[in-house]
Amino acid sequence: DADVTQTPRNRITKTGKRIMLECSQTKGHDRMYWYRQDPGLGLQLIYYSFDVKDINKGEISDGYSVSRQAQAKFSLSLESAIPNQTALYFCATSDRLAGEQFFGPGTRLTVL
Amino acid sequence: DAKTTQPPSMDCAEGRAANLPCNHSTISGNEYVYWYRQIHSQGPQYIIHGLKNNETNEMASLIITEDRKSSTLILPHATLRDTAVYYCIVRVADNYGQNFVFGPGTRLSVLP
Repeated sequence: DADVTQTPRNRITKTGKRIMLECSQTKGHDRMYWYRQDPGLGLQLIYYSFDVKDINKGEISDGYSVSRQAQAKFSLSLESAIPNQTALYFCATSDRLAGEQFFGPGTRLTVL
Repeated sequence: DAKTTQPPSMDCAEGRAANLPCNHSTISGNEYVYWYRQIHSQGPQYIIHGLKNNETNEMASLIITEDRKSSTLILPHATLRDTAVYYCIVRVADNYGQNFVFGPGTRLSVLP
């Protein structure tokens, strides 16, 4: 089983709808992250969390919110989706003492 | 985090060594060099990281120049499955204020 899972893997929605993307991990890591990736570009950090009570904004947090329900779960919400939020979304985790991040398989979101 | 510069694309013949360069002339003394790769819209995959000394693992070797202003990722015997976008990132290993910044990377094409 994958260490970092994301649901759904693909989603098509309409402008103005509320959307939630979920991330779960079995690595036991404290830190979790949400990134988005637009075609042909690198990843941009949306939000990150260093433990259950910690939430921090990344480079592009406007239009997004997150919830860290447990150490293993980190959800990303789009309260009112708009077309320019169409992108690939990745969740990642890392251990407090190590540098590398481990990524989920991604969610492809299309907002019409 | 220090900025990095990578060529946008490279080709390599299957079975040959792939040498991917990265310039990071403004790197700080406590910043590590990390390499990730992303295979066709999958989640980025950690490859290797280092501070000063050259590093090797089962996937690749990392050569860092003595002045630490540049580095080279070496895939010793490239296969078609190594075709991916490779990202070079520099950052402090455990920094509460900053996270990984993924630029556009180098698109490596391994040719049969």
